[in-house]
Amino acid sequence: EDQVTQSPEALRLQEGESSSLNCSYTVSGLRGLFWYRQDPGKGPEFLFTLYSAGEEKEKERLKATLTKKESFLHITAPKPEDSATYLCAALYGGATNKLIFGTGTLLAVQP
Amino acid sequence: DAGVIQSPRHEVTEMGQEVTLRCKPISGHNSLFWYRQTMMRGLELLIYFNNNVPIDDSGMPEDRFSAKMPNASFSTLKIQPSEPRDSAVYFCASSRGTAGNNEQFFGPGTRLTVL
Repeated sequence: EDQVTQSPEALRLQEGESSSLNCSYTVSGLRGLFWYRQDPGKGPEFLFTLYSAGEEKEKERLKATLTKKESFLHITAPKPEDSATYLCAALYGGATNKLIFGTGTLLAVQP
Repeated sequence: DAGVIQSPRHEVTEMGQEVTLRCKPISGHNSLFWYRQTMMRGLELLIYFNNNVPIDDSGMPEDRFSAKMPNASFSTLKIQPSEPRDSAVYFCASSRGTAGNNEQFFGPGTRLTVL
């Protein structure tokens, strides 16, 4: 069964305390791995797309990496404004355009 | 650009009533997606359209759910009759092109409560 699993479900960090979020996937024919950020009461906001194992992308304090089985979102020296739910999603299949989402990691960064 | 527009933002209805959710995608985007988000199941794709044509509706839970896209700038998701288990946040998203590797832009969602 195609599946995306994120861990931990929730993470509390002190400001400046770096950490990583995990996204493991079992899908047939991965075509891309997406990371989104979701703030309370809002829709997900796109962060990154990774297409092949070994690829890395960075944006401010965030860096996403991809292996053949999982992806990591590394947060370096987080700030309170980084608090949000982080979702990963796998694009898979043939001609269809479908994303399967994980249930997310709720990140809280305390000042 | 105003982004993806959804209405209403909140809907409270009673079991058995018909509910219609509306979405206006970003101009120039030709793929449109309807998702449902709950605490238990996360974000689930219900249906998606490409060039106004439904491509995959395998995520639509049952016949009570239907979606239409009469033109490139408007789509509806209808639930008839509604049930309490339909309570969730429904998101509409749009993207450019047909390739799956294009970024999807999400609307603010409609929070549906069925009593």
